Amino acid sequence: AQSVTQPDIHITVSEGASLELRCNYSYGATPYLFWYVQSPGQGLQLLLKYFSGDTLVQGIKGFEAEFKRSQSSFNLRKPSVHWSDAAEYFCAVGGNTGGGNKLTFGTGTQLKVEL
Amino acid sequence: GAGVSQSPSNKVTEKGKDVELRCDPISGHTALYWYRQSLGQGLEFLIYFQGNSAPDKSGLPSDRFSAERTGGSVSTLTIQRTQQEDSAVYLCASSISGGAFEQYFGPGTRLTVT
Repeated sequence: AQSVTQPDIHITVSEGASLELRCNYSYGATPYLFWYVQSPGQGLQLLLKYFSGDTLVQGIKGFEAEFKRSQSSFNLRKPSVHWSDAAEYFCAVGGNTGGGNKLTFGTGTQLKVEL
Repeated sequence: GAGVSQSPSNKVTEKGKDVELRCDPISGHTALYWYRQSLGQGLEFLIYFQGNSAPDKSGLPSDRFSAERTGGSVSTLTIQRTQQEDSAVYLCASSISGGAFEQYFGPGTRLTVT
């Protein structure tokens, strides 16, 4: 069964500092990997995705993530955090199982940005 | 263009009542997913529709839950005889097709069972 681990429940960074959110996955085949962001009372917004090819993917809002198969990881990074980045971040894994792409989500990382 | 829409945005119901939650996917998207987000269980997959194929119901937690998709577009998730543990945010997502395509999520329906 597929699973996702986000080991950090809460992270606090200062505005302008760099950010790395960790994500480890378990999946029996080539995974599809995603990072979503959720602001309070809002739905999920896709930040970036990995299906195949270049293992370093760029997303919206200056985020990037690197797929490392050997470590089963897909960590999210941003060089300089803005106060508006405060939100909850979810890593998800899916795959083309039976034609569908059912996502399994991690438990999320709550990001707080200190001014 | 218009994104995924869901209605109602909030629903409060008494234990034992039935509820219907609606999802309007992005026009032209053939794949539609329902997920549930709750404090105890996090985000979990419920059901998947792809075109006219039989839905994948593997995530439905009990036979009180059912869903249909009419005309390959609008979907309705029905919960019968609601229980307090059904309280959660129900999220709908759609994608161009199944497989390697990103899913776009709606704002969700917050269900509270009293």
